[in-house]
Amino acid sequence: QLQLQESGPGLVKPSETLSLTCSVSGASISSSGYYWGWIRQPPGKGLEWIGSIYDIGITYYNPSLKSRVTVSLDPSKNQFSLKLTSMTSADTARYYCARAPSAWFGDVLGYYFDYWGQGTPVTVSS
Amino acid sequence: QVVLTQSPSASASLGASVKLTCTLSRGHSNSAITWHQQQPEKGPRYLMKVNSDGSHTRGAGISDRFSGSSSGAERYLTISRLQSEDEADYYCQTWGTGAWVFGGGTKLTVL
Repeated sequence: QLQLQESGPGLVKPSETLSLTCSVSGASISSSGYYWGWIRQPPGKGLEWIGSIYDIGITYYNPSLKSRVTVSLDPSKNQFSLKLTSMTSADTARYYCARAPSAWFGDVLGYYFDYWGQGTPVTVSS
Repeated sequence: QVVLTQSPSASASLGASVKLTCTLSRGHSNSAITWHQQQPEKGPRYLMKVNSDGSHTRGAGISDRFSGSSSGAERYLTISRLQSEDEADYYCQTWGTGAWVFGGGTKLTVL
């Protein structure tokens, strides 16, 4: 059974960099053929995709966050990570990691999330 | 870029059925979507993929009380024989040229 578990600091100061890790068990992230992604949810709001990485290191980022986001893989630990710079109160949210297999979306090959972690809360405050 | 539109809320009685709607923006009526359930204080859970022809594929372990269908640019999630644990937020998601796109979510209340 695939499991994903987010970890990281629950509190970050404004202007600092958030670093989160997603530990994957039950499958290898190396040569997996999947994207591995980060999604967040501000309190009382909906889901917002942040960024994703393929098993060979190809990345996609949400254009609204692209200048501040880095997603990376650590195959030796079977983990992938998120770095989000210049944190503000608007970045306060629960952060989720997830696996993304491919599928046909009409005529286009795309990706969706099929396994999610439980999420980790992040508060931005001085 | 594709946009997904969902009604903010829906309600139905215990034991009844409910149909939730996700609408694809103009020019994307051929696309598939996926549905995800988020119960209170839990992470999202993948339910199914719904294609433009109405065919759907449920995720592992998802009850057959959950089904999908389509009409034009609308994609539906029908939940039959509603149970209290079906009270949750439901999100649709699609693929949009290098981006994962989510709808705003529908909060389902089971009366």
